[in-house]
Amino acid sequence: IAGITQAPTSQILAAGRRMTLRCTQDMRHNAMYWYRQDLGLGLRLIHYSNTAGTTGKGEVPDGYSVSRANTDDFPLTLASAVPSQTSVYFCASSESSGSTDTQYFGPGTRLTVL
Amino acid sequence: GQNIDQPTEMTATEGAIVQINCTYQTSGFNGLFWYQQHAGEAPTFLSYNVLDGLEEKGRFSSFLSRSKGYSYLLLKELQMKDSASYLCAVRDGDYKLSFGAGTTVTVRA
Repeated sequence: IAGITQAPTSQILAAGRRMTLRCTQDMRHNAMYWYRQDLGLGLRLIHYSNTAGTTGKGEVPDGYSVSRANTDDFPLTLASAVPSQTSVYFCASSESSGSTDTQYFGPGTRLTVL
Repeated sequence: GQNIDQPTEMTATEGAIVQINCTYQTSGFNGLFWYQQHAGEAPTFLSYNVLDGLEEKGRFSSFLSRSKGYSYLLLKELQMKDSASYLCAVRDGDYKLSFGAGTTVTVRA
């Protein structure tokens, strides 16, 4: 069982380019999340999905979009990358969005926008 | 937004005890989590508190006081492999997790 996989592991991207970060989980979790982690700021929620077919905005959603066509996949798209989007991106999932459910994290994607 | 504070860095000796404090101010409260994150890796779940008191799990314990907006993670019998960042995260009234910036613990021989 892989848990949560993310691709690519790392990427260097020119500003203005479009980029999709992939996230797949095989735990049949209903809820999925995208975070970015920047030095000194901790993890910040970008977008989330409580169940397939629904999405919501987190703390820092501008410049990012997501879709949740099925339970397993939750891609994050940067329509036109900017240098401030240089960060480490983590995808996470939990059984549901309820109070006791633990979030499990993927290995992360290190993105550099030049 | 949410406000979660924890120290930036702590250093301790192998075999010792270290206590990492976390204070929070959030809109609503639905539990507090501690995660461990080794450099270059994903955060991994350590503990969860929703009621006041101490939760013990092997060498790690976590304490919560909801009235004080305060938690701590206690690491006992420190080992070199415990060198990592420790993240305090609070689930707010909308069931969203907000994270502190993390505390980097360095264990020295």
